[in-house]
Amino acid sequence: QLQLQESGPGLVKPSETLSLTCTVSGGSISDGLYYWVWIRQPPGKGLEWIGAIYYSGSTYYNPSLKSRVTISVDTSKNQFSLKLSSVTAADTAVYYCASFKIGNYGSYYFDYWGQGTLVTVSS
Amino acid sequence: EIVMTQSPATLSVSPGERATLSCRASQNINSNLAWYQQKPGQAPRLLIYGASTRATDIPARFSGSGSGTEFTLAISSLQSEDFAVYFCQQYNNWPPLTFGGGTKVEIK
Repeated sequence: QLQLQESGPGLVKPSETLSLTCTVSGGSISDGLYYWVWIRQPPGKGLEWIGAIYYSGSTYYNPSLKSRVTISVDTSKNQFSLKLSSVTAADTAVYYCASFKIGNYGSYYFDYWGQGTLVTVSS
Repeated sequence: EIVMTQSPATLSVSPGERATLSCRASQNINSNLAWYQQKPGQAPRLLIYGASTRATDIPARFSGSGSGTEFTLAISSLQSEDFAVYFCQQYNNWPPLTFGGGTKVEIK
């Protein structure tokens, strides 16, 4: 089964760029069975989908964040990454990477998640 | 964007009792809905997809139903490990993928 692990700084200054990487093990990011996604959760709040990438490089972003988000994939390292620019305190959250399974009969679902990493935006 | 609304925000239930959680979509999403369980300090766990299909290793006491705009997650006999927050999520029209605000199931 897949395992996903987020990595990156836990503290980012306002106006700077948040950068996280998700390393996938137990399977190939290029197998075409998944979209690879980023989701965040502010402390004590709900889940917000940030965006997704397919192994081919096709990207899909939440319109609410699209102007600040870049998701990329490195198939040679079995990793995908998130960059969120011009961060503010409102971007403080636990950031999860996850696999979005392309299931049968049009079903899609997040079946594997990283443990999550808390990113705090503060000077 | 499809808005997902969950109710109630908090559900107080005694162990062994049945819990019924609701999720409403702002427009028709057919059966393209998933449910997740999240415990404190953990990532969400997939329970249900396709509105009613249990994920691997999910106990039969969890069941999902509905289509269109109205959906229900039922837990037939609450066990101690079921007290958690539950989220619904639609994948009918994306981007963006959207989640409900969550229902916290707490011990009565």
